[in-house]
Amino acid sequence: AQKVTQAQTEISVVEKEDVTLDCVYETRDTTYYLFWYKQPPSGELVFLIRRNSFDEQNEISGRYSWNFQKSTSSFNFTITASQVVDSAVYFCALRDNAGNMLTFGGGTRLMVKP
Amino acid sequence: SQTIHQWPATLVQPVGSPLSLECTVEGTSNPNLYWYRQAAGRGLQLLFYSVGIGQISSEVPQNLSASRPQDRQFILSSKKLLLSDSSFYLCAWSVQGHWNTEAFFGQGTRLTVV
Repeated sequence: AQKVTQAQTEISVVEKEDVTLDCVYETRDTTYYLFWYKQPPSGELVFLIRRNSFDEQNEISGRYSWNFQKSTSSFNFTITASQVVDSAVYFCALRDNAGNMLTFGGGTRLMVKP
Repeated sequence: SQTIHQWPATLVQPVGSPLSLECTVEGTSNPNLYWYRQAAGRGLQLLFYSVGIGQISSEVPQNLSASRPQDRQFILSSKKLLLSDSSFYLCAWSVQGHWNTEAFFGQGTRLTVV
């Protein structure tokens, strides 16, 4: 069975601070995909990034960066110079080799204060 | 381009009444379809997924059911709502046979059972 754990249920930072959201996963498959989604107050889930299990290169997209470490089964997400608009719930998710299901973590609520 | 429509956006229903939430996808064929539920302040729970017309897999036994009468239509139903069914329901789709792609979510339905 696969599992995704986001130990931080809520994080509060002041604008311009850097913040890292942790994600730890469990799977028996050697081939899998990892995802991050953002859920703003409107409720819709917005896709941010996917990463396959064979690609451990870190990725940077503007103020967002992702650190995938297979050795520790972690896929952490860092926001640099956070802004109030980054306030949302962020979800990490895992899809295994069967491909039919996305398993989500419990989410981390990020509050960025001005 | 592909789009996903989910309605209604909000719904207030009395206990014991039936439920029907509808989700349709445009711009793609034979998608995987999903129903998720998100209780307030919590993560996403997969309820049902479908890989084709009439093919429904249930992940959590409860008084909800799902149907896929057409290729791009996914319906979540209940014969008699319970108070505990109050939640935020999200429909999603992904490309079939391409498990490395992300899932795309609708805007969600906020259901309150009174």
